[in-house]
Amino acid sequence: AQSVTQPDIHITVSEGASLELRCNYSYGATPYLFWYVQSPGQGLQLLLKYFSGDTLVQGIKGFEAEFKRSQSSFNLRKPSVHWSDAAEYFCAVASRESNYQLIWGAGTKLIIKP
Amino acid sequence: EADIYQTPRYLVIGTGKKITLECSQTMGHDKMYWYQQDPGMELHLIHYSYGVNSTEKGDLSSESTVSRIRTEHFPLTLESARPSHTSQYLCASSDLTPGRGSETQYFGPGTRLLVL
Repeated sequence: AQSVTQPDIHITVSEGASLELRCNYSYGATPYLFWYVQSPGQGLQLLLKYFSGDTLVQGIKGFEAEFKRSQSSFNLRKPSVHWSDAAEYFCAVASRESNYQLIWGAGTKLIIKP
Repeated sequence: EADIYQTPRYLVIGTGKKITLECSQTMGHDKMYWYQQDPGMELHLIHYSYGVNSTEKGDLSSESTVSRIRTEHFPLTLESARPSHTSQYLCASSDLTPGRGSETQYFGPGTRLLVL
């Protein structure tokens, strides 16, 4: 079955430190890949997406993600986090196998230490 | 960026009541979606629509119903609310681009529903 795994339920990092949030998927064909962020009490905002081309994609708020086909991964990174980055981050994947419907990971809650 | 509006933002209601959650978008998007999200959990698709007069059930079984009479409006109705319906409901829309495959979804702020 198609699935998206975000192995870390929470991650705590210090303000100014680097961040990497993991996302793995199980699909045969090249999927479409997304990262969304959800601040408390809010809807989801698109951070970045990968459809094709350069496997390193830049997003908003200083985030980037790298698609690694060999590892079936699409990890989200930021070189230096800010307190305002505290939120929940969701990875989502769509492919022909899912009829292009988004399949969501369970999310990773990012906690920022002052 | 799409403008998507959901009302109410918060709703506390008694068991057995009929409720309608409103969702409107001003971007002229063809596809619209309803997701259910419990705290700390992934989103589950409960309904979607390809356009006017089109409605489909999602992966998660739901006792709710939807309608799509106008492009911009996609309300979700629960005929008789139960405590098990307590959750957050998120509406989204996307532009259906033929041959493009997946589209980017844009989300509203959500409705938090508490059924007593």
